[in-house]
Amino acid sequence: DGGITQSPKYLFRKEGQNVTLSCEQNLNHDAMYWYRQDPGQGLRLIYYSQIVNDFQKGDIAEGYSVSREKKESFPLTVTSAQKNPTAFYLCASSPSTGHMNTEAFFGQGTRLTVV
Amino acid sequence: DAKTTQPNSMESNEEEPVHLPCNHSTISGTDYIHWYRQLPSQGPEYVIHGLTSNVNNRMASLAIAEDRKSSTLILHRATLRDAAVYYCILSGIFGGTSYGKLTFGQGTILTVHP
Repeated sequence: DGGITQSPKYLFRKEGQNVTLSCEQNLNHDAMYWYRQDPGQGLRLIYYSQIVNDFQKGDIAEGYSVSREKKESFPLTVTSAQKNPTAFYLCASSPSTGHMNTEAFFGQGTRLTVV
Repeated sequence: DAKTTQPNSMESNEEEPVHLPCNHSTISGTDYIHWYRQLPSQGPEYVIHGLTSNVNNRMASLAIAEDRKSSTLILHRATLRDAAVYYCILSGIFGGTSYGKLTFGQGTILTVHP
């Protein structure tokens, strides 16, 4: 089945440690995105990528890093510089990066808790 | 970025129609209007999108005002599975590139009563 997979579903880390969240898609989509969601809030864009080996900062990129070495993979690293890393992280992909006249597909999310 | 305004919450009874409003008075001519919905602890799910004309699909209908400053998502017969947070989103140019991004607001919490 085609889709977008995030792993793990739940992740616990100690404060000061870097952690990498996985996002894989087998939809052959060009564009991939990372969003963050805090309780009772909407999604905020962290990073996005239009093509392999290229990515741009979104609205809240500070304290995060990404890579796009393969079309199907877009891992997100939450670094120790991120002041409030505890959140629900969502990965998405879409077929094109035009005016988003297409449907975006979201993963089921990773809930990160930093203690 | 153009913003949207939605009611915080709405309620409906099962098998009745639901009209979810969205105001977007600063919409640009190239912005598409998207609707997504999200169940607790899940990723958002695409519902429908449109530019100028009304749109129908198997999930819902989207009615767009003639001046495009507002739109309404219509669920023709609400079911308990339709209870979710519904987001009205505008997509457009970001950062001077042809990239389009989805900017999520807080959405409308829809409660469906049996």
